[in-house]
Amino acid sequence: SAVISQKPSRDICQRGTSLTIQCQVDSQVTMMFWYRQQPGQSLTLIATANQGSEATYESGFVIDKFPISRPNLTFSTLTVSNLSPEDSSIYLCSVTGVADTEAFFGQGTRLTVV
Amino acid sequence: GQNIDQPTEMTATEGAIVQINCTYQTSGFNGLFWYQQHAGEAPTFLSYNVLDGLEEKGRFSSFLSRSKGYSYLLLKELQMKDSASYLCAVRALSGNTPLVFGKGTRLSVIA
Repeated sequence: SAVISQKPSRDICQRGTSLTIQCQVDSQVTMMFWYRQQPGQSLTLIATANQGSEATYESGFVIDKFPISRPNLTFSTLTVSNLSPEDSSIYLCSVTGVADTEAFFGQGTRLTVV
Repeated sequence: GQNIDQPTEMTATEGAIVQINCTYQTSGFNGLFWYQQHAGEAPTFLSYNVLDGLEEKGRFSSFLSRSKGYSYLLLKELQMKDSASYLCAVRALSGNTPLVFGKGTRLSVIA
């Protein structure tokens, strides 16, 4: 199994600022996935981060708002920019297990925008 | 498009058995996952099905019928700590690809 360390676990941010979330995996992985979970909702994929190339964003998510870095095979960051109250959510990173039969999640980052 | 349906809420009694259903319509199918998520925490992996049939793991079992686009999660000998949301998710594409999640079923276990 993969162990993912995600931080910060929570933050309260002012409108108009940005928050960068980090995920560190204990093994090398090709793809890392970033999800958002709005209050009372399920997980929605934001983007797929592949080392060495630009992230692939899902419909409704753009790079200017959610820039992603993937400098190596064990680390990725997601920045949520120009924060508004609507960005208050839990953000999660995820990787797939070696056999593709499991998918693991970081502990999540609970963001509150005030 | 991708669509995964599961009931919004369920209530069951401690010690009982509960079945949480999930139906899916996706562009492809390469596995179905069940996760447990306690409030304020990240999802925890419970089970994976890619072939038809029942997978049993302790008190939890998961069933899949690919022809019907249907799965269920069966929880036996319910405990209060089983109160959580249960998420059904499908991997639509092969390989190292993301999951599509249902909205989750909030299970309340009562005494």
